[in-house]
Amino acid sequence: GQNIDQPTEMTATEGAIVQINCTYQTSGFNGLFWYQQHAGEAPTFLSYNVLDGLEEKGRFSSFLSRSKGYSYLLLKELQMKDSASYLCAVMDSNYQLIWGAGTKLIIKP
Amino acid sequence: GAVVSQHPSWVICKSGTSVKIECRSLDFQATTMFWYRQFPKQSLMLMATSNEGSKATYEQGVEKDKFLINHASLTLSTLTVTSAHPEDSSFYICSAWTGSYEQFFGPGTRLTVL
Repeated sequence: GQNIDQPTEMTATEGAIVQINCTYQTSGFNGLFWYQQHAGEAPTFLSYNVLDGLEEKGRFSSFLSRSKGYSYLLLKELQMKDSASYLCAVMDSNYQLIWGAGTKLIIKP
Repeated sequence: GAVVSQHPSWVICKSGTSVKIECRSLDFQATTMFWYRQFPKQSLMLMATSNEGSKATYEQGVEKDKFLINHASLTLSTLTVTSAHPEDSSFYICSAWTGSYEQFFGPGTRLTVL
């Protein structure tokens, strides 16, 4: 079966760095996505990785290792507004997104 | 960036009534639209995949006669929840896909069935 695993909840301090991990087992692979979702809102796109390595976009970076079925999202210089759920999703061989349950990130002052 | 709208943003209805939710891609044509449902503190659950001009493909466990999907054009898909019951109360989100890597999400519709 297809499976995406990520921690349920993480807590970090404002101004610090946090890494959210995601491991996956899917039928085929056409890329891995990270989305941010604030409570009561739809997900917003953060990043897309299809090749191994690190993609940096401002305070956010995403890493992918296809051989290990592993990705992480790195958030630097945390701000209170970064408190949200972070969803890892993999596009399988049928171009459908398989979603993780999301990681709720709590930022403390 | 690409914009997807949903209407209504929220709806409250009585048990047994039907509710229609519209999903529109405003500045692009979507090859495919997806309908998701999200219960509190849970991840997105794909309900169905909708291609313009053809019947929707429903995920296992989703009743096609209860959740009617119409995709009449490349910019509009509708989801009708027929004979809604309290257990159908959820956050319904659509997304539009152009065939590239990214799906563009609508803002979601919160349905509450009394």
